[in-house]
Amino acid sequence: DTGVSQDPRHKITKRGQNVTFRCDPISEHNRLYWYRQTLGQGPEFLTYFQNEAQLEKSRLLSDRFSAERPKGSFSTLEIQRTEQGDSAMYLCASSRYDSYTGELFFGEGSRLTVL
Amino acid sequence: AQRVTQPEKLLSVFKGAPVELKCNYSYSGSPELFWYVQYSRQRLQLLLRHISRESIKGFTADLNKGETSFHLKKPFAQEEDSAMYYCALSGASGSARQLTFGSGTQLTVLP
Repeated sequence: DTGVSQDPRHKITKRGQNVTFRCDPISEHNRLYWYRQTLGQGPEFLTYFQNEAQLEKSRLLSDRFSAERPKGSFSTLEIQRTEQGDSAMYLCASSRYDSYTGELFFGEGSRLTVL
Repeated sequence: AQRVTQPEKLLSVFKGAPVELKCNYSYSGSPELFWYVQYSRQRLQLLLRHISRESIKGFTADLNKGETSFHLKKPFAQEEDSAMYYCALSGASGSARQLTFGSGTQLTVLP
C-alpha cells in the first residue's frame, strides 16, 4: 500500500502523559496536513507543512501540541501533558503542491484515548 | 470565518430512490467545494469537487452561490453508496488546501 500511513493506529494513555504520532505521506507529496476529528464531527484542521516548513497552525493547536517534519519527509505530532479533551482521531493527509485537483489523501488515522 | 453545515446527521433511503445530501456554506470569497466520502473501514477520500463539474459514481453536486449550497445528488441510490459523506470548503487563496469540513451525513441505502 503506497498511501499515507500513520502509526500507531490506536493509543491509550493516562492523563498527563506525552504521546507522539507519526505520519508517512505519499512519497512524492510535498504538503502534509494534520487534522483532528472528534466523535460526531468532521475533521478539523490543525497544521500543515510544505516540505519541512510549518506554514500554518490552527488556534486549536495549543502550546501542548507540537508538529515537526524534518527533512520534509515523515511528520510527527506530539501532545504533551495529555488531557481527556485530547481524545480524538488524529488524521494525517498529504498532497502535491502543484496538484490541480487539490485532492488531499488521508491516512487511516491514529485514535487517541486519554483516561 | 468559513463554515460548512450539513443539517442531516443520518439519512436513509431505499435502493433505487433518489438521494440528496444537503450542504450549506458560509464564506465571503470564492470558495472551492468538495465532497469527501468514508466507506466502512476505509479512509476518507475525495468523491468530487465543484470545479470539475463531473459525475462520480453517479453523484453530482452543483454549487449555488446564491443559496450558498453544494448539495450532493444521485438519482438512483445503490446499497454500496452507504457511507459517511462530508462536505468541505477550501477558502484559501490556493496556496494550501486547508479544508473546513461539515459534521457529516451518514447515508444508509436500504435494500
